[in-house]
Amino acid sequence: KNEVEQSPQNLTAQEGEFITINCSYSVGISALHWLQQHPGGGIVSLFMLSSGKKKHGRLIATINIQEKHSSLHITASHPRDSAVYICAVSHGGTGNQFYFGTGTSLTVIP
Amino acid sequence: GAGVSQTPSNKVTEKGKYVELRCDPISGHTALYWYRQSLGQGPEFLIYFQGTGAADDSGLPNDRFFAVRPEGSVSTLKIQRTERGDSAVYLCASRLAANTEAFFGQGTRLTVV
Repeated sequence: KNEVEQSPQNLTAQEGEFITINCSYSVGISALHWLQQHPGGGIVSLFMLSSGKKKHGRLIATINIQEKHSSLHITASHPRDSAVYICAVSHGGTGNQFYFGTGTSLTVIP
Repeated sequence: GAGVSQTPSNKVTEKGKYVELRCDPISGHTALYWYRQSLGQGPEFLIYFQGTGAADDSGLPNDRFFAVRPEGSVSTLKIQRTERGDSAVYLCASRLAANTEAFFGQGTRLTVV
């Protein structure tokens, strides 16, 4: 079982809708990361969280450490937001490498 | 460079051949990671370099996989006797330090036929 679970796996929304993607993890972490991956493209880091909430433009990320849960929200969604959104956690330690969820594929329809 | 650069972007090779994948990290980033992403899956950790040394290679699947970073900047992932199951996107990431933001390359899509 993957230690990072995301839902939904696929999401289709109309332009302008408010979108929520959820991430749950099973072990203690040093940080949680939200990443964006476009088809054929590399991965871009959106947020790195260890507590609370962060906002960048139309994107908001929250984390609840006690419940081991994080959400990524997109307000006023736009077709250019269409991408795969990946939740990843790091545990600290030697390399502090990422453990990734399987991603949520988002399609925003005009 | 401005970002993490990976070459080639695509590589098709025959089963049994040897391949090298290159990662050029952001200048000054001491931490470098290789990940492998199979179709429909999230990336999986392969190896982590701190400077020139492989500090954690626990994710390498078997001894056909090897990676080097001789001068602490560019890294090469080497795969011997490739198998069809090695087909995946190989991602490289670098960080200024292990607890800072990670920057990813565009990946190398390896196809073994």
